[in-house]
Amino acid sequence: DVQLVESGGGLVNPGGSLRLSCAASGFTFKNAWMSWLRQAPGKGLEWIGRSKRKADGGTTDYSAHVKGRFTLSRDDSINSLYLEMNSLNTEDTAVYYCCTMGVVGPKYYFDYWGQGTLVAVSS
Amino acid sequence: QSVLTQPPSVSGAPGQRVTISCTGNSSNIGGGYAVHWYQQFPGTAPKLLIFESTDRPSGVPDRFSGSKSGISASLAITGLQAADEAEYYCQSFDSSLIRWVFGGGTELTVL
Repeated sequence: DVQLVESGGGLVNPGGSLRLSCAASGFTFKNAWMSWLRQAPGKGLEWIGRSKRKADGGTTDYSAHVKGRFTLSRDDSINSLYLEMNSLNTEDTAVYYCCTMGVVGPKYYFDYWGQGTLVAVSS
Repeated sequence: QSVLTQPPSVSGAPGQRVTISCTGNSSNIGGGYAVHWYQQFPGTAPKLLIFESTDRPSGVPDRFSGSKSGISASLAITGLQAADEAEYYCQSFDSSLIRWVFGGGTELTVL
């Protein structure tokens, strides 16, 4: 079974940094596009960024809301996805989800989701 | 303000049929991009319910169906059950914004 387990969330001061991790299993991670999404308390879903598989160039793309502050990376050798977040502000407070975008070939939807990890930005 | 527009809430009695609409524009749904639907229960992660506008992942009951026409899409739920009470989100890709976009979500209440 596909499993995505996020970790690294917590309370951080405005202007601070945090690194989220996502441990993947149950599928061939190196063949998958991966994304991070988030959901602010009581709000809807927001796509943050995508990491393409190496076969498709291995590039990353970001939402304008986080570009320049957030960095996605992946380590295919240990089936892990990361999200480095800098210059955090209160609007970044949300549950952050790690998602696959097609475990059998790239898709434009999010077929599997982790349980999420909460990031709270507050002084 | 979400790029895709959904009604904030819908309701129906057990056994009835309800539909949830999702309206976009020519840069997303109208531009030929498929619509996907997610179901989310309180405190849990969203789950893929419909993909490529009309397809169901394995394990999703055929009471759930999707359709798409022009700049809009719909999720239909027949034989409504109390267990269907959840938040439903539509999603597509926007070629103008160059990002994946969602509707604001629709809360389904089973009366």
